[in-house]
Amino acid sequence: NAGVTQTPKFQVLKTGQSMTLQCAQDMNHEYMSWYRQDPGMGLRLIHYSVGAGITDQGEVPNGYNVSRSTTEDFPLRLLSAAPSQTSVYFCASSYRSAGANVLTFGAGSRLTVL
Amino acid sequence: AQKVTQAQTEISVVEKEDVTLDCVYETRDTTYYLFWYKQPPSGELVFLIRRNSFDEQNEISGRYSWNFQKSTSSFNFTITASQVVDSAVYFCALLQGGSEKLVFGKGTKLTVNP
Repeated sequence: NAGVTQTPKFQVLKTGQSMTLQCAQDMNHEYMSWYRQDPGMGLRLIHYSVGAGITDQGEVPNGYNVSRSTTEDFPLRLLSAAPSQTSVYFCASSYRSAGANVLTFGAGSRLTVL
Repeated sequence: AQKVTQAQTEISVVEKEDVTLDCVYETRDTTYYLFWYKQPPSGELVFLIRRNSFDEQNEISGRYSWNFQKSTSSFNFTITASQVVDSAVYFCALLQGGSEKLVFGKGTKLTVNP
């Protein structure tokens, strides 16, 4: 099993450009989410999905779009990149259970917006 | 609102010292879950432990131990006889029961010097 796969690992964009961060998992997890990690800020939830066709906003959703057309994939789209979106992005997935979800994280994608 | 506070931004110890990482949380819910994740210099996020609010038993796993005290809303993490490989950023996180939103603290960077 590959677990959670994120691509690309590194990306440099110019302000105003658009791009999509890809996330795929092969564990048949219902729940998927995107976090961003900034120095001194910990990880903050951007968007999440509890199943195909269902998405919701997290703590810092502005400037990002998501969709969940399949169980396996959960891409994160930046429509018009801004320098404030320079960050490390982590995708995560888990089963939904009566207890708490233990997230499995991808390796991260480092994005720089110039 | 939920909140996780890791007051120690950085800690530096010498190998073989014991070290405790503090985590204080805020929630109004009676059902919640607490987590610790490790982020080594390579950048990935590694799950360490999950605790639910009804289980206040302390847990030990090798050199790692966790002290959960509801009376002080704390979930502290102790590494006994620290090793250089323990150098990492450690995150404490909180999940409200029935919620999908995992809230992270800002992390504590632990450096273990030889």
